[in-house]
Amino acid sequence: GAGVSQSPSNKVTEKGKDVELRCDPISGHTALYWYRQSLGQGLEFLIYFQGNSAPDKSGLPSDRFSAERTGGSVSTLTIQRTQQEDSAVYLCASSHRDSEVYSNQPQHFGDGTRLSIL
Amino acid sequence: QKEVEQDPGPLSVPEGAIVSLNCTYSNSAFQYFMWYRQYSRKGPELLMYTYSSGNKEDGRFTAQVDKSSKYISLFIRDSQPSDSATYLCAMSPMDTGRRALTFGSGTRLQVQP
Repeated sequence: GAGVSQSPSNKVTEKGKDVELRCDPISGHTALYWYRQSLGQGLEFLIYFQGNSAPDKSGLPSDRFSAERTGGSVSTLTIQRTQQEDSAVYLCASSHRDSEVYSNQPQHFGDGTRLSIL
Repeated sequence: QKEVEQDPGPLSVPEGAIVSLNCTYSNSAFQYFMWYRQYSRKGPELLMYTYSSGNKEDGRFTAQVDKSSKYISLFIRDSQPSDSATYLCAMSPMDTGRRALTFGSGTRLQVQP
């Protein structure tokens, strides 16, 4: 079946501009996650959605970063007034609803959006 | 000190070799342990998913978790050139309110034909 889909695959923008990154999770997955991968910092958690609500936003690095999820499906990560240090690959993952066996389902990743700030 | 430590490599082995990849961690709350494989310019692909201590085998891959030592391993038998990639360990606590995965920095593996 279809995996996690992210768009655009690449984005180049000027410092100070706003950007929106989109994630389509695997059909039927109720949980959705955003991560950031950069050379110096590795893979870092940003935010977690269960349905349309975000119980854990602890990884968002500043108030320039926000995310929303609508209809329990598509999510958008928005970065306002981009800075050069925002350059990274932004990865989205999704997972099934909790089961009786596993209260923490495995996360499946998309191929990411490669963001470059000039 | 990072919560999860992983040797960055690169690790170069001949085709057919047994590969051992390892991570150590400091947070005793971690209960779920994963290994991901990441090819260049692709997202991480889930290879193994285990809960608590023990072994799990899937084809050429075996994952081991030793919670007493805070040490996890991934073994790859009969390694192939197509196994050349970066391998990331990841882990998370049982706390259902916290789903964030904590990743190691990744080990780059090169399997020489």
